[in-house]
Amino acid sequence: GENVEQHPSTLSVQEGDSAVIKCTYSDSASNYFPWYKQELGKRPQLIIDIRSNVGEKKDQRIAVTLNKTAKHFSLHITETQPEDSAVYFCAASTGSYIPTFGRGTSLIVHP
Amino acid sequence: NAGVTQTPKFQVLKTGQSMTLQCAQDMNHNSMYWYRQDPGMGLRLIYYSASEGTTDKGEVPNGYNVSRLNKREFSLRLESAAPSQTSVYFCASILGSTDTQYFGPGTRLTVL
Repeated sequence: GENVEQHPSTLSVQEGDSAVIKCTYSDSASNYFPWYKQELGKRPQLIIDIRSNVGEKKDQRIAVTLNKTAKHFSLHITETQPEDSAVYFCAASTGSYIPTFGRGTSLIVHP
Repeated sequence: NAGVTQTPKFQVLKTGQSMTLQCAQDMNHNSMYWYRQDPGMGLRLIYYSASEGTTDKGEVPNGYNVSRLNKREFSLRLESAAPSQTSVYFCASILGSTDTQYFGPGTRLTVL
């Protein structure tokens, strides 16, 4: 089955810095890669996603890149703010109805 | 639309007690899921239902049962609760197999 590795497990940055979270996947059939943000005590919510026919996608301060050859995808957050502090999960889907999640990255943005 | 709803939000059980966690979605989604979330372990799939009338085991099904009551509702039952089942439980749903998952607000369960 699919295996998703996510790094780092914890990321600490100063406000205004950029943050990058990386994920690798094992199944070359994966074709949908969402990123979820989970604030403390809340549910995971989609922040951005990318499909395998696209290499990069941006939404304001957030961007995701996908390298299908290397089987990795990354989340980039620019000009980080304290409200970006949360746990971020990547996931990969092959169409088997079972998205595979990474273990999460705890992002801490210091004012 | 309420999205995905779960009841209860909090529950405390004694070892050996049983309970059912309820989940409902009003987005006409086909597939529904139950996850548990423990510190440092991410989201682990307990059971899922790809479509109404079907259910399948996920990564950690032992100690749990599920029922896909209809297209809207998917319940999770703990027949004899154990302290190892202390966790936060999330229900989720998807329209199609490679679409965004929408999560419920979670149920925080403590088994003493």
